[in-house]
Amino acid sequence: SAVISQKPSRDICQRGTSLTIQCQVDSQVTMMFWYRQQPGQSLTLIATANQGSEATYESGFVIDKFPISRPNLTFSTLTVSNMSPEDSSIYLCSVLGRANTEAFFGQGTRLTVV
Amino acid sequence: SQQGEEDPQALSIQEGENATMNCSYKTSINNLQWYRQNSGRGLVHLILIRSNEREKHSGRLRVTLDTSKKSSSLLITASRAADTASYFCATLRAGTALIFGKGTTLSVSS
Repeated sequence: SAVISQKPSRDICQRGTSLTIQCQVDSQVTMMFWYRQQPGQSLTLIATANQGSEATYESGFVIDKFPISRPNLTFSTLTVSNMSPEDSSIYLCSVLGRANTEAFFGQGTRLTVV
Repeated sequence: SQQGEEDPQALSIQEGENATMNCSYKTSINNLQWYRQNSGRGLVHLILIRSNEREKHSGRLRVTLDTSKKSSSLLITASRAADTASYFCATLRAGTALIFGKGTTLSVSS
C-alpha cells in the first residue's frame, strides 16, 4: 500500500492567482497521477508525472496552465495557474500499487476560485 | 477522458436493501476496479475483477464482469447508512493511468 499526503486540503483563491498543490508519497513510485474532479463529476486525468522527464498531459490540459514538477520519486507538485472560477474543483494525486491492481489517493485539495 | 458510463447516476435506497450499480467501458481491459468516494475526498479501492473472471465477492460486495458486453456491475447487499458515497468503476489505460467512469451516487437512508 501507499500513503499519500496532499496539501493544502482546501483553499480559496482570487482569480488570476496561482496555487501549488503538493503530494508526498511514503514510498518510491515511478509514476504519479494528477486528477481534477469538477463539482458533481467524476475524476478526469490531467497528467502523468514521471521523475526525470516532463509530465505527459491529457487532451484539454496544457503545461502553461497546469505546470507539474517531479523532483524525485516520492514527491510532485501541481500548479493551477492564472485561476478562474472554472478551475474550482477538487484536485487529487494518485499512485498505482504493485502490479497496477490498486490506486492510492491523497485526500484531495478542494479549490474555490472567487 | 472518461472510460465508461455508469448507471444509475443516482440511487436512493433504504437500509437493508440491495444496491446495484452498472458500468460500461469502451476498450479491452486486463481488469476493472471499483472505488468509493466519501464526501468528495480521496477514493478508496473496493474490489478488482480480472478480465478472465466473471464474478467476484468481497464481504457484502459482489462484482460481475461481462467482457462481451464490456460491462460490469457492483452489488452491495444489505446496505447501511455508512455505504452512502459515490462509486466509480475504473479501467487501466494501456497499463498506465486509471480512467474513471462517471460514477453513481448512492444514498442509503435509515
